[in-house]
Amino acid sequence: EVVLSQSPDTLSLSPGERATLSCRASQTISSSYLAWYQQKPGQAPRLLIFGASNRAAGIPDRFSGSGSGTDFTLTISRLDPEDFAVYYCQHYGRSFGPGAKVDIK
Amino acid sequence: QVQLQESGPGLVRPSETLSLTCTVSGGSTRSNSYYWGWIRQPPGKGLEWIGSINYSGGTYYSPSLKSRVTISVDTSENQFSLRLNSVTAADTAVYYCAGCWVGYYEGSYYYYMDVWGNGATVTV
Repeated sequence: EVVLSQSPDTLSLSPGERATLSCRASQTISSSYLAWYQQKPGQAPRLLIFGASNRAAGIPDRFSGSGSGTDFTLTISRLDPEDFAVYYCQHYGRSFGPGAKVDIK
Repeated sequence: QVQLQESGPGLVRPSETLSLTCTVSGGSTRSNSYYWGWIRQPPGKGLEWIGSINYSGGTYYSPSLKSRVTISVDTSENQFSLRLNSVTAADTAVYYCAGCWVGYYEGSYYYYMDVWGNGATVTV
């Protein structure tokens, strides 16, 4: 079973700044199996990135994903006020990372 | 556009069985492009994958919950269901159903949950 870890737990930034979130797998995984989701309070998660680097439909281009092997990154180039949320990575449509919160500094 | 809606009791007694149903609209549980899954989120905590079922009834469960979980599909009603037995307070959570798209493209299989229900709160 692949276990995902995420860092940092919390990232405190201001609107307009760049956010970089990390997801690490316990073993080498296929990039096509790695997805990222955004969740806001009281809402269901929303797919942002699939296949490690492909934006889902309707996702702004300030969101980008990269990585391979065991190390993957979600980058938000310029934080919009609506981007303050919790972000999860997921492997193979199954296990999730513990989540990373982006909050307002 | 595929939409999902969870339904079921919001309160379950300890040691009893939690049962939830997810109704699929705008799509079919017979689709070979989707696995249908359940995910839960305890209050203030992260997402936990419970299990999934594919179009032919094949099931995949989280190792930590496998002994207590059954996921089934009713293609005639276009629904899939979750049963979790012997519940305790630790099973209190928001339960989400989701559709996991499974596709083959340019030499790779892709798996990602692109459609989610709104979530059902279950208290034990």
